[in-house]
Amino acid sequence: DQQVKQNSPSLSVQEGRISILNCDYTNSMFDYFLWYKKYPAEGPTFLISISSIKDKNEDGRFTVFLNKSAKHLSLHIVPSQPGDSAVYFCAASAETSGSRLTFGEGTQLTVNP
Amino acid sequence: DAGITQSPRHKVTETGTPVTLRCHQTENHRYMYWYRQDPGHGLRLIHYSYGVKDTDKGEVSDGYSVSRSKTEDFLLTLESATSSQTSVYFCAISENSGTYNEQFFGPGTRLTVL
Repeated sequence: DQQVKQNSPSLSVQEGRISILNCDYTNSMFDYFLWYKKYPAEGPTFLISISSIKDKNEDGRFTVFLNKSAKHLSLHIVPSQPGDSAVYFCAASAETSGSRLTFGEGTQLTVNP
Repeated sequence: DAGITQSPRHKVTETGTPVTLRCHQTENHRYMYWYRQDPGHGLRLIHYSYGVKDTDKGEVSDGYSVSRSKTEDFLLTLESATSSQTSVYFCAISENSGTYNEQFFGPGTRLTVL
């Protein structure tokens, strides 16, 4: 039972354009959502997060949007840069599950110069 | 960067042999986790620890055991490795539990079981 799903295994965009990565979840108890970025041969690094009391959180070029009614979140990267090429993981946690995170499958983003 | 190291970084072993992976942190964080990453599955939690000698199972714990005798070290043991345990293993740490919990990851260990 995949509680967090990233339905697009890959995404390719041109440098300077917007990248939109999507994530859906099924567990209505999730109340905190995170995005991680992963380069090859490295561990995932925390990128940005949002709690369920908000619908948007922005940090520089990165913005995360949360639509609780649709159980959907998205990560927008504007403008996209070649250095953004990586695998992006969506993750979620619930207060009731303590410190445990549930991850999606990941989306490989490629930004072409 | 969070002070997390994993050893070894690469290991090739044979089916049926025991394997121990080590995670070491210098951040004095209470919570530590072991994940495996496989294509099409993302990161899946194997075991986690919420304090010295306090551990619990994750979603894919069969075939794995863990131990935490010191705050800074979290060991993952495959008692008898199988080919299905070929994967990349990541250790992570966090200071808090519950909401607003960011986990920080180590560099990973690539394990191949022949």
